[in-house]
Amino acid sequence: QQQVKQSPQSLIVQKGGIPIINCAYENTAFDYFPWYQQFPGKGPALLIAIRPDVSEKKEGRFTISFNKSAKQFSLHIMDSQPGDSATYFCAASSINAGNNRKLIWGLGTSLAVNP
Amino acid sequence: DAGVTQSPTHLIKTRGQQVTLRCSPKSGHDTVSWYQQALGQGPQFIFQYYEEEERQRGNFPDRFSGHQFPNYSSELNVNALLLGDSALYLCASCLGSGANVLTFGAGSRLTVL
Repeated sequence: QQQVKQSPQSLIVQKGGIPIINCAYENTAFDYFPWYQQFPGKGPALLIAIRPDVSEKKEGRFTISFNKSAKQFSLHIMDSQPGDSATYFCAASSINAGNNRKLIWGLGTSLAVNP
Repeated sequence: DAGVTQSPTHLIKTRGQQVTLRCSPKSGHDTVSWYQQALGQGPQFIFQYYEEEERQRGNFPDRFSGHQFPNYSSELNVNALLLGDSALYLCASCLGSGANVLTFGAGSRLTVL
């Protein structure tokens, strides 16, 4: 059972376009929603993250929109550049009774930004 | 400031063999988590170590075991390797087992033949 569902699987945009990647979750105990960027041969790197008490967060060209009632969140990349071509993962986490966290990941979106 | 370092970067094993992967956390971090990333998939949580103890575990069989040393470095051991264990194994570190921000290493690519 996929607790975090991510779409689309792949995405191609032209330079300057605004790719949008969507994620949906089921567990209402999740309280932290990060997006990671992964380049081939590299580990994932944290891009931006949001908590459910905020509806939107911007960091540079990256924006997360969060809809708590719909249990959905999305990543928007403004003025996309060829260097943004990578795989993007959404994730979610909650803390357990032992004060431990683990990340539950989406399946990833492969983004290609054409020059 | 060194980030998370993992070794080896690539290795090839045959079915039934055992493998040990190593991870040194980012300086100042005391918690290590391991993830398995199959080709074209998102990472799957294996387990987390804090204060030299396994704090939580994902849905992985007992063939997967680990250890954390007093210097916070960690090992992941996989016994009786199966073809399906072929994957990128990622180590992530953070400060405190409840921390949100994880720093990932580049991973160890395991191929089982």
